[in-house]
Amino acid sequence: EDQVTQSPEALRLQEGESSSLNCSYTVSGLRGLFWYRQDPGKGPEFLFTLYSAGEEKEKERLKATLTKKESFLHITAPKPEDSATYLCAVGSGGSQGNLIFGKGTKLSVKP
Amino acid sequence: DSGVTQTPKHLITATGQRVTLRCSPRSGDLSVYWYQQSLDQGLQFLIQYYNGEERAKGNILERFSAQQFPDLHSELNLSSLELGDSALYFCASSPSKGEQFFGPGTRLTVL
Repeated sequence: EDQVTQSPEALRLQEGESSSLNCSYTVSGLRGLFWYRQDPGKGPEFLFTLYSAGEEKEKERLKATLTKKESFLHITAPKPEDSATYLCAVGSGGSQGNLIFGKGTKLSVKP
Repeated sequence: DSGVTQTPKHLITATGQRVTLRCSPRSGDLSVYWYQQSLDQGLQFLIQYYNGEERAKGNILERFSAQQFPDLHSELNLSSLELGDSALYFCASSPSKGEQFFGPGTRLTVL
């Protein structure tokens, strides 16, 4: 069964304190790993897509990496406005295109 | 702004009632996906349409149904509502099997 697990469930950082969020997955044929940011009561906002092990993508203070079993979202020198829930999702060969989501990591950055 | 629109933003109704949620995808996107997000379950895939045809079903209850119209907008119909159906309902669209872009969601409260 396709599965996505994110850790930690919650992370509290001081402004400027870099850290990483983890997403581990088991899928029958990976068709993309996706990172989203979700603010309370809002729809998920697309951040990155990774397709193959070794691939990396960056956007401002965020950098996503992918291995064969997990992905990391590295946050460098975070700011309070980076506070949100970060969701990881995978597309699998067993699906028609729908995504399987993890439960997310809730990030709080204090000034 | 993802380009995906959803109406209404909030919906409050009573148990046993029926409601319709509406979604307009991004211009040019043929695929529409519906997801349910509750506090304990995270984002759960319900159903996918591609160019008017049903493509995939997730854990969608028999009381729920959906359709995609020729102009590509989609509606999700929820009937015989129960307290447990209270959740955020998101629509997402994509041009293919890649990244999906989410709308702002409809918050359904069943009293």
